[in-house]
Amino acid sequence: EAGVAQSPRYKIIEKRQSVAFWCNPISGHATLYWYQQILGQGPKLLIQFQNNGVVDDSQLPKDRFSAERLKGVDSTLKIQPAKLEDSAVYLCASSLVGVPDTQYFGPGTRLTVL
Amino acid sequence: DQQVKQNSPSLSVQEGRISILNCDYTNSMFDYFLWYKKYPAEGPTFLISISSIKDKNEDGRFTVFLNKSAKHLSLHIVPSQPGDSAVYFCAAGRSNFGNEKLTFGTGTRLTIIP
Repeated sequence: EAGVAQSPRYKIIEKRQSVAFWCNPISGHATLYWYQQILGQGPKLLIQFQNNGVVDDSQLPKDRFSAERLKGVDSTLKIQPAKLEDSAVYLCASSLVGVPDTQYFGPGTRLTVL
Repeated sequence: DQQVKQNSPSLSVQEGRISILNCDYTNSMFDYFLWYKKYPAEGPTFLISISSIKDKNEDGRFTVFLNKSAKHLSLHIVPSQPGDSAVYFCAAGRSNFGNEKLTFGTGTRLTIIP
């Protein structure tokens, strides 16, 4: 079974530039999550989708971050414009609907904002 | 408000001995708990979980203990092996259907000394 795929793996941008990250979840997983992990901290949920609807985006900085999940499969997370404090690893995870426990994570995208 | 706390940022254990990683939580609504393991440049990998109806769950060398009255859980690894060297995250959530949000601790870096 293929795991969660993410791209790119690394990205370096200047502040005020835009960036987008892509995630392809495990086939059949209806729930998709984007997390931000700042160095030395645990992953923090940014947004959660169930199919292509948003379940929770309470911690998403909506003035600069946006995310979509078209057709309930792939998802894109965008930052526009980026700030220095956005430097982090952005993790995508997926899980089966109705399963409260196991989330499967992708390898993450390490973003550096200069 | 840090609802899930891992107070030890690092831990070193001799190979073959027991590793004990601790986690405390403050939200009494949490009813399921998980441990994830993370290697550098990879996403977190699910290790073991426990629901609040149990006080112990075992899977091979890994055992998780839950003390609900103390709002404390621990992960025991016996015997510890060099491949166990990684960062371990404790996570907690509520098992309401459609509300599968996890709150992560800050992680404990475990180093197994050969």
